[in-house]
Amino acid sequence: GAGVSQSPSNKVTEKGKDVELRCDPISGHTALYWYRQRLGQGLEFLIYFQGNSAPDKSGLPSDRFSAERTGESVSTLTIQRTQQEDSAVYLCASSSTELDYEQYFGPGTRLTVT
Amino acid sequence: GESVGLHLPTLSVQEGDNSIINCAYSNSASDYFIWYKQESGKGPQFIIDIRSNMDKRQGQRVTVLLNKTVKHLSLQIAATQPGDSAVYFCAEREDNNNDMRFGAGTRLTVKP
Repeated sequence: GAGVSQSPSNKVTEKGKDVELRCDPISGHTALYWYRQRLGQGLEFLIYFQGNSAPDKSGLPSDRFSAERTGESVSTLTIQRTQQEDSAVYLCASSSTELDYEQYFGPGTRLTVT
Repeated sequence: GESVGLHLPTLSVQEGDNSIINCAYSNSASDYFIWYKQESGKGPQFIIDIRSNMDKRQGQRVTVLLNKTVKHLSLQIAATQPGDSAVYFCAEREDNNNDMRFGAGTRLTVKP
């Protein structure tokens, strides 16, 4: 079946603009994660959704970052008033349940803030 | 604070040799450890995982070793192939914490 997909694959935006990144998890996966990966670095956890439970937002770096997920489907990560330090690859991952730690990653969205 | 890190940022090996990628972690409460492979332009791909109640787990050409005494995790790749060239990340988490913490990664280059 289809894996995790993300769109757009690349996004260039001007400082101060808002951006919205989309993630389509694997069908049936109840858990969804967003990560940020800066150039040459590891992944930083941003936010976690599990079913209809309240999301774990503990990794969001500032209030400019927010994410939504409707049920067990698509998720969007929104960054408001983008800054140059927001430039990174944003990765989405899903897993079948909250007990399944094996995460399946999408290809990521490369965000460049000019 | 707690962190996951790697001993070496780069590793170069000859095709056919065995590779060992190391990872140190500091959170003694970690329950689960995982290795990911990330090729250029792609998302991380699961390789192998291990729970804290184990010290060794084998997959196809890969073995993960966990030494909880010194908080050390390693990934061994047998008969390394050019297709193994990638960045390898270790990650860890606690069962009651959604935060999967990743190390910075080791770039493995396989020379033909």
